[in-house]
Amino acid sequence: DGGITQSPKYLFRKEGQNVTLSCEQNLNHDAMYWYRQDPGQGLRLIYYSQIVNDFQKGDIAEGYSVSREKKESFPLTVTSAQKNPTAFYLCASREDIGNSPLHFGNGTRLTVT
Amino acid sequence: RKEVEQDPGPFNVPEGATVAFNCTYSNSASQSFFWYRQDCRKEPKLLMSVYSSGNEDGRFTAQLNRASQYISLLIRDSKLSDSATYLCVVNIKNTGRRALTFGSGTRLQVQP
Repeated sequence: DGGITQSPKYLFRKEGQNVTLSCEQNLNHDAMYWYRQDPGQGLRLIYYSQIVNDFQKGDIAEGYSVSREKKESFPLTVTSAQKNPTAFYLCASREDIGNSPLHFGNGTRLTVT
Repeated sequence: RKEVEQDPGPFNVPEGATVAFNCTYSNSASQSFFWYRQDCRKEPKLLMSVYSSGNEDGRFTAQLNRASQYISLLIRDSKLSDSATYLCVVNIKNTGRRALTFGSGTRLQVQP
């Protein structure tokens, strides 16, 4: 079945450590996205990529980095510069045309202590 | 003003009730619209796209009002399983940023 896989589901890290969240899709979608969600809040866009080897900052890119070396993969690194990294991170993809909706992975819940 | 606004709720309704949510958007160039459902601690899942002429899927009806810049979601005969947060999503294409913008969500609690 086609879909988006995020791993791990839960991740615990000590403050000051970088951590990379994995996102893989086999839907053949060009566009991929990372969102962050805090308790009781909506989704905020961190980074997005419309094509391999290209990506753009979203609304809250500070303290994060991404790469898009392959169409299927869009990993997100949460660096030690991110002041409040504890959150629910959601990866999504879509066909980059018209009215196509977003398809989400099942998320990674990151806790930094 | 936020680009996409929703009443956060919660809407507490009895089973069988009809409930309606609105979502307003600020950019008149917005071109596509969606409703997503999100259960607690899970990822959002597409409920329905919203078409200009309005569309229906079983107990759910979505409508778009471009003149007043809002979309709506109507749920008829609500079930306990409809309890979730409903997210309004808008695609704004002329900002140079081709990404979808989410509202903060409206929480629905259907009670027995």
